[in-house]
Amino acid sequence: GAVVSQHPSWVICKSGTSVKIECRSLDFQATTMFWYRQFPKQSLMLMATSNEGSKATYEQGVEKDKFLINHASLTLSTLTVTSAHPEDSSFYICSAEPDRLVYGYTFGSGTRLTVV
Amino acid sequence: QKEVEQDPGPLSVPEGAIVSLNCTYSNSAFQYFMWYRQYSRKGPELLMYTYSSGNKEDGRFTAQVDKSSKYISLFIRDSQPSDSATYLCALEGTGANNLFFGTGTRLTVIP
Repeated sequence: GAVVSQHPSWVICKSGTSVKIECRSLDFQATTMFWYRQFPKQSLMLMATSNEGSKATYEQGVEKDKFLINHASLTLSTLTVTSAHPEDSSFYICSAEPDRLVYGYTFGSGTRLTVV
Repeated sequence: QKEVEQDPGPLSVPEGAIVSLNCTYSNSAFQYFMWYRQYSRKGPELLMYTYSSGNKEDGRFTAQVDKSSKYISLFIRDSQPSDSATYLCALEGTGANNLFFGTGTRLTVIP
């Protein structure tokens, strides 16, 4: 149990276009999901906390208009990178907390975004 | 000073060796301690989770927490080539959005 599915696993897009990344909790409900960004050989950096039915909470320095988060249901959160630029190329990972004592935080498999 | 310090490695060991991975932290408010394994281009997967000082064992893996020294370790016994990955420590305090990751240690187990 406690699987988080993330899609797509990789995407290449042209500069100026938008890309949507989906994060689904497959066998549990997640009122909160987390979005991370990871650069090569670096650790995970929390971008925002996605809250079902309400606005996301963004970390300092993260542009909310660029990284749009929607958490419309208890099993789905989406991250849309708007007007993507090459510097947005990175590895994006979502996570949820099905049961902290049993599973800790469960992560999706990540999405590698390349903006050309 | 970073909340969590972790030696990035890389660390190379022969198959069968005992591996020791470590993190130090500065904030005594951290209450939950996790170790994740991340294969290349994949999301992290939870290996060990503990919330008290002492040792916790799961198969070939042992997590050790020393709250007085603010030091946590992960030991891997009889290391296998399939253990080659990046290992991340993660610490969490009470309250929401209080999860901090180490930079990760890249481990290679040589057959």
